[in-house]
Amino acid sequence: DTEVTQTPKHLVMGMTNKKSLKCEQHMGHRAMYWYKQKAKKPPELMFVYSYEKLSINESVPSRFSPECPNSSLLNLHLHALQPEDSALYLCASSQVIAGVSNTGELFFGEGSRLTVL
Amino acid sequence: SQQGEEDPQALSIQEGENATMNCSYKTSINNLQWYRQNSGRGLVHLILIRSNEREKHSGRLRVTLDTSKKSSSLLITASRAADTASYFCANRSGSARQLTFGSGTQLTVLP
Repeated sequence: DTEVTQTPKHLVMGMTNKKSLKCEQHMGHRAMYWYKQKAKKPPELMFVYSYEKLSINESVPSRFSPECPNSSLLNLHLHALQPEDSALYLCASSQVIAGVSNTGELFFGEGSRLTVL
Repeated sequence: SQQGEEDPQALSIQEGENATMNCSYKTSINNLQWYRQNSGRGLVHLILIRSNEREKHSGRLRVTLDTSKKSSSLLITASRAADTASYFCANRSGSARQLTFGSGTQLTVLP
């Protein structure tokens, strides 16, 4: 069982809807990540938060808006999405070592399967 | 793109056989990691090998790293049906602040 919890597991939304994906971890990790994964493809990094501050944004469209309200929570706010945004959205966390995130093991949640109609 | 390549893309073997997956990468690395992903689930970390290590074992897993060839291999011995999953290598190069995942190998172990 993963120690990173993602909700909801499945989400279907229309292109005009506003919804949010949520992620929670209680391992004391200070780096948290959002990845997007299409079928039969590797995960693609979207955002990295380090000490609750956005440290990496991989040129993600503004219809995806991340938020890190505290060290345990990570949200991804969705608005005006397109059908091609349908994918598995994975949250992950890791320790921050020497001020650099992602040097070691990533702990992933089970993902939120998003379908945009 | 910094994404590594894995081969084979798909591998089908009988239970009890060994499975070998290969990963190539493009830049110098600090470490290389292997992850497993069951269909539609999250990724699970399997093993990490540092750039100054050549081989590492964990249970039925054996990982090798050849930095001169920029390649790594993952060997699963005595495979089981439960090993059926996608396997991804991931690496972080010196100045990068994030992992880059390889293209993945889909392993099917037939009972």
